[in-house]
Amino acid sequence: EAQVTQNPRYLITVTGKKLTVTCSQNMNHEYMSWYRQDPGLGLRQIYYSMNVEVTDKGDVPEGYKVSRKEKRNFPLILESPSPNQTSLYFCASSLRGAGGPSGNIQYFGAGTRLSVL
Amino acid sequence: AQSVAQPEDQVNVAEGNPLTVKCTYSVSGNPYLFWYVQYPNRGLQFLLKYITGDNLVKGSYGFEAEFNKSQTSFHLKKPSALVSDSALYFCAVRDITGNTPLVFGKGTRLSVIA
Repeated sequence: EAQVTQNPRYLITVTGKKLTVTCSQNMNHEYMSWYRQDPGLGLRQIYYSMNVEVTDKGDVPEGYKVSRKEKRNFPLILESPSPNQTSLYFCASSLRGAGGPSGNIQYFGAGTRLSVL
Repeated sequence: AQSVAQPEDQVNVAEGNPLTVKCTYSVSGNPYLFWYVQYPNRGLQFLLKYITGDNLVKGSYGFEAEFNKSQTSFHLKKPSALVSDSALYFCAVRDITGNTPLVFGKGTRLSVIA
């Protein structure tokens, strides 16, 4: 089954304790992206990756890091989490960036709800 | 810069009535337009997209959307709402020129009342 898998689904942590949210897709997609969803703000892009070893900042990259060492994985790293990073996080992938001629569809993971105390 | 506006935070409609969820966009060139739906405790799911061609696009679950270039709108519609359509709906846009990411609206919560 084609899917985007995020782990963990729920996470409660404390300020300053480094954490990683994993994201894996089994569709051989080049493009992967991280979003955060906050009430009244919709989805905001954190980072995206057009392919292996290629990453770029989205709209709200501060406080986050990503890496793309393999095509299928795109982990989100919070080196020193703060309470303002409490949010619902989504990973997404598509065959190529939404910039492709077919405007490809993004597939989303089920989300990770993070609380930073 | 590209942007999307969903002017209604909440739309309420009675089951069996037609529904409309509004979306307007702004891009410098021509747009790719998308609608996604989010059910409780789930990720976003693709509903439909407009790339080119016929202005009326049909998608999943009986939804359709009409691209109106002069009004820069891409409203989502369904002739007869179901209670199971209750969810959060997101409009998204990107400019076909250049390699820009997809930009999402803030979402509209649809409640269909039995």
